[in-house]
Amino acid sequence: TQLLEQSPQFLSIQEGENLTVYCNSSSVFSSLQWYRQEPGEGPVLLVTVVTGGEVKKLKRLTFQFGDARKDSSLHITAAQPGDTGLYLCAGNTNAGKSTFGDGTTLTVKP
Amino acid sequence: GAGVSQSPRYKVAKRGQDVALRCDPISGHVSLFWYQQALGQGPEFLTYFQNEAQLDKSGLPSDRFFAERPEGSVSTLKIQRTQQEDSAVYLCASIRRGIRAGETQYFGPGTRLLVL
Repeated sequence: TQLLEQSPQFLSIQEGENLTVYCNSSSVFSSLQWYRQEPGEGPVLLVTVVTGGEVKKLKRLTFQFGDARKDSSLHITAAQPGDTGLYLCAGNTNAGKSTFGDGTTLTVKP
Repeated sequence: GAGVSQSPRYKVAKRGQDVALRCDPISGHVSLFWYQQALGQGPEFLTYFQNEAQLDKSGLPSDRFFAERPEGSVSTLKIQRTQQEDSAVYLCASIRRGIRAGETQYFGPGTRLLVL
């Protein structure tokens, strides 16, 4: 069984602060995806990273895939209340099956 | 265009009751997934269809769980003789083409099942 560990499990910060959440595994993945899930909704894809060492930026969000393709991080700059939600990482194998971590619940206070 | 829809959004069942959860994927999407998400956890894979063929059902927790997609579009997840441990959100996701690494999964809002 491929396990993905996400940390921290919970994070509460003030608006304007920066934060980083982590996704770690002992397994190698062909790609890794980050999702954001709001209460009562399904996860929504934020980014897919494929190449070891890859860095992708989406506005204030920066995603990095580890060189060995076992871990990833999500950095948010100047967090806003609208960033509040559950951030999930999912590792994908070549067969396409996704294994999700248990997520980081982020609360950004105004 | 319409996204993935699921019904009902909420279901309360008495222990031992059978339930059926419906998923309408995005029109034309080939692949369909079912996941179970327990409170405070990430989604866990249940089963996968490519068109009408169920190619992987390794995540179904017991033989009380059954899924079908007879015409390659709408899918139904059926749980027989529900137990309290079946209480969770059941998520459906679809992919435009066949399964392969990195494809975007579009999730529905889920069905929240509570078994009393």
